[in-house]
Amino acid sequence: EIVMTQSPATLSVSPGERATLSCRASQSVSSNLAWYQQKPGQAPRLLIYGASTRATGIPARFSGSGSGTEFTLTISSLQSEDFAVYYCQQYNNWPPVTFGGGTKVEIK
Amino acid sequence: QVQLVQSGAEVKKPGASVKVSCKASGYTFTGYYMHWVRQAPGQGLEWMGRINPNSGGTNYAQKFQGRVTMTRDTSISTAYMELSRLRSDDTAVYYCARDSAGIVVVTAWGQGTLVTVSS
Repeated sequence: EIVMTQSPATLSVSPGERATLSCRASQSVSSNLAWYQQKPGQAPRLLIYGASTRATGIPARFSGSGSGTEFTLTISSLQSEDFAVYYCQQYNNWPPVTFGGGTKVEIK
Repeated sequence: QVQLVQSGAEVKKPGASVKVSCKASGYTFTGYYMHWVRQAPGQGLEWMGRINPNSGGTNYAQKFQGRVTMTRDTSISTAYMELSRLRSDDTAVYYCARDSAGIVVVTAWGQGTLVTVSS
């Protein structure tokens, strides 16, 4: 089973600043990596798939990069609605599909 | 638009079973795999498995093998997830989740069903 590790667990950022979230896989997942955003009391929402392709309707301030075992989600200028928990997910070697433990982006 | 509507919250005793339903609308039910993902209180996401609504074929996470059964009724565009021999650590929100044709990423989620296991 591929283990996904996200860092940091919590990221404190001021509105308008840049946020950089990391995700590491225990073995290569090629570019088969997705990012989701989850707000309290809501289901997750797909942001990025294929490591760098934005899902439909996702603003351009969200970008993904990386391949192999190291991945990054960047939010270029944080808006109030971006404060949430973010999860990475690999779909290269499955079952099982595996998720990272999440990074909470909170207001500084 | 794509909608997945799940059944309501459940409270079960340890050792019992629970069956959660997920009614799909706004797309061709048999055209996309349906996954089940759970989230314990304050915790992350955990993939349980998926079903091919067209064939009924399933893939389960090894952790749940022998305890989980995923089925579907194509006549009413509804998927089901049954989990047996419930334990207190099965307390979680259970989501049905439709993937994107061809890749195992979730593009639509149900609203979630809270299952509480308590004596």
